[in-house]
Amino acid sequence: ILNVEQSPQSLHVQEGDSTNFTCSFPSSNFYALHWYRWETAKSPEALFVMTLNGDEKKKGRISATLNTKEGYSYLYIKGSQPEDSATYLCASPSGGSASKIIFGSGTRLSIRP
Amino acid sequence: GAGVSQTPSNKVTEKGKYVELRCDPISGHTALYWYRQSLGQGPEFLIYFQGTGAADDSGLPNDRFFAVRPEGSVSTLKIQRTERGDSAVYLCASSLTVGESYEQYFGPGTRLTVT
Repeated sequence: ILNVEQSPQSLHVQEGDSTNFTCSFPSSNFYALHWYRWETAKSPEALFVMTLNGDEKKKGRISATLNTKEGYSYLYIKGSQPEDSATYLCASPSGGSASKIIFGSGTRLSIRP
Repeated sequence: GAGVSQTPSNKVTEKGKYVELRCDPISGHTALYWYRQSLGQGPEFLIYFQGTGAADDSGLPNDRFFAVRPEGSVSTLKIQRTERGDSAVYLCASSLTVGESYEQYFGPGTRLTVT
């Protein structure tokens, strides 16, 4: 994997259901993995920064896991609510630079009431 | 406290014109980043500054794009001879310092439309 890739591109979930989506990133020269939430008409907001293999972070109903050896991270949302509707972006430093952040295209999540 | 601010929020310009986009980072943040986001894509890295110096400008698409941060705070992204393909949302972010584990705080973006 040469780039940061996210799947699925979009997701429609019923309110109350749980969901998850994937971020794949280059596993060589790994520095960190960032997750951001970007709501319409707002600025992207940092959710998690993860650096250690096997790390798991949680913020309310949202959690994320990290596998640096195989180059993937999962973001989980438990009991989806309408306010969870947003684009979720992951990003990782790439190209040998710890600070040149490469973003995936995002997963656009829509919660149906 | 005040977050990252960007001005203008929207800019419409004619092809061939020069534009300047301004970013005011969070006070005390030494690292500043510029990204460009096109419809359906994630933010695309353009350049980042540590203090006053451009630490990595490898994402600037060509020599029509230039950015400065003369006093280590406010930054200006300058685009000469704009083209329709430059139309995008330009995002600025700042972090406490440069480093892979530091969160970036984003501004609301400037939507540039080149007609």
